[in-house]
Amino acid sequence: DAKTTQPNSMESNEEEPVHLPCNHSTISGTDYIHWYRQLPSQGPEYVIHGLTSNVNNRMASLAIAEDRKSSTLILHRATLRDAAVYYCILSQGGGSNYKLTFGKGTLLTVNP
Amino acid sequence: DTGVSQDPRHKITKRGQNVTFRCDPISEHNRLYWYRQTLGQGPEFLTYFQNEAQLEKSRLLSDRFSAERPKGSFSTLEIQRTEQGDSAMYLCASSIATLNYGYTFGSGTRLTVV
Repeated sequence: DAKTTQPNSMESNEEEPVHLPCNHSTISGTDYIHWYRQLPSQGPEYVIHGLTSNVNNRMASLAIAEDRKSSTLILHRATLRDAAVYYCILSQGGGSNYKLTFGKGTLLTVNP
Repeated sequence: DTGVSQDPRHKITKRGQNVTFRCDPISEHNRLYWYRQTLGQGPEFLTYFQNEAQLEKSRLLSDRFSAERPKGSFSTLEIQRTEQGDSAMYLCASSIATLNYGYTFGSGTRLTVV
């Protein structure tokens, strides 16, 4: 599986936008980029995924670099409930067709 | 049905005992996954099923671990002769193989081997 690199931790203030970066320089042409998050004492939660184009949903936006070697998860207005570990994952396929390999993720702290 | 259910939520067992965990996926989901997560790490893939067929097992899944999904509905994960190193959160997830909705995870079973 191609690997991703994320910062260990980031901080944000409530109601401000948050940009969570992910580097995936060895991504292949068929790899999808997935984001999950894990709140304390819960299982991971699907956030968003994409292949080449930027994607938006009710939770977040995913901005994918033109060369696909990096991507950014954007939370438009952070709330205290967004404090979680965010995982950037590559898979050979979209949606849930392939197993996901999680790294350590980025711990996001949201300050009131 | 509102999500993936796992039972029990917590299990404390003595080293050497056998334990079994249960996962009830979302009813229309045909894929079911087991992951294990230790403190400070991301979840590690163990195995997955499509309907009742077990399609892949990680090399992390030693001979002491066995998973079943009879009739393609709920699944069980059994650990025989537990060791302290088995202490972890065991997570179950389900999905529909043909749709792009991602996985839905349960809240996990936390196993402590003493």
